[in-house]
Amino acid sequence: DIQMTQSPSSLSASVGDRVTITCRASQGISNYLAWFQQKPGKAPKSLIYAASSLQSGVPSKFSGSGSGTDFTLTISSLQPEDFATYYCQQYNSYPWTFGQGTKVEIK
Amino acid sequence: QITLKESGPTLVKPTQTLTLTCTFSGFSLSTSGVGVGWIRQPPGKALEWLALIYWDDDKRYSPSLKSRLTITKDTSKNQVVLTMTNMDPVDTATYYCAHRPQDIVVVEPAAFDIWGQGTMVTVSS
Repeated sequence: DIQMTQSPSSLSASVGDRVTITCRASQGISNYLAWFQQKPGKAPKSLIYAASSLQSGVPSKFSGSGSGTDFTLTISSLQPEDFATYYCQQYNSYPWTFGQGTKVEIK
Repeated sequence: QITLKESGPTLVKPTQTLTLTCTFSGFSLSTSGVGVGWIRQPPGKALEWLALIYWDDDKRYSPSLKSRLTITKDTSKNQVVLTMTNMDPVDTATYYCAHRPQDIVVVEPAAFDIWGQGTMVTVSS
C-alpha cells in the first residue's frame, strides 16, 4: 500500500494568514492526488483533484501543487469558514489511501 | 445535481453482516468511467477507503478487508450496495459513499467529487 503522510498534523493560524499543508507519498503517484476538507460532523468536501485542478465551485484561494511524491495544499488567505481538517488522498494505485489529516485551528 | 445518500442499520451485533445501500441521483452508473466508492471513518480518526465499483462492474477492494467485503450495483435502481461480514466493534464508524466521475481530461484524472452525508454504524452487543 502507498502510505500518505501529512504535515503538520495540526496548526494554529489567524484569519488572513497564508497556510500550507504538505502531503508526501511513500512512492511516486504522478498527479493522482486529491485534497478534501472536512468540518466536524460533516462529510468531506472535495477541493482539488489531479494535484492542482480545482473542483467546480471551490474558491480560488485554495490551490494545490506537486507531482511524484511531494504535494502541497495552500490556502492563500485563511477565513473563518476554512477552519477544518484537511485530508490528502492518492488514487494512483489500489488501495486508494488517505493521509492522517491536518487540523487547522484558530490562533 | 449529483446526490448520494447512505442507508442501513445504525446498530449491528458482533459477528453479524452489515448491509449498506448508497442511493444516488444525477448520474448513471452505466456511463463510461463513472464509479461509486465506499469510505469509512471511525470516531475521531482518519478516512479509510474500502471499495469501489465502476460502470463496467470492475470492483476494487481494500486488501485488508477484501475477505469481508462485497460491492454490487443495481443500475436500474441507481444503487450501490456494500456488505461487510463478521462485524467487530472496531468497525464502528461513519460510512460514506462517494461519486467518482469520468475523466474529462486525460492528464487530469478524476477523483471522488461528491460525497453522501454518511451513516453512523455502531457495532455492539
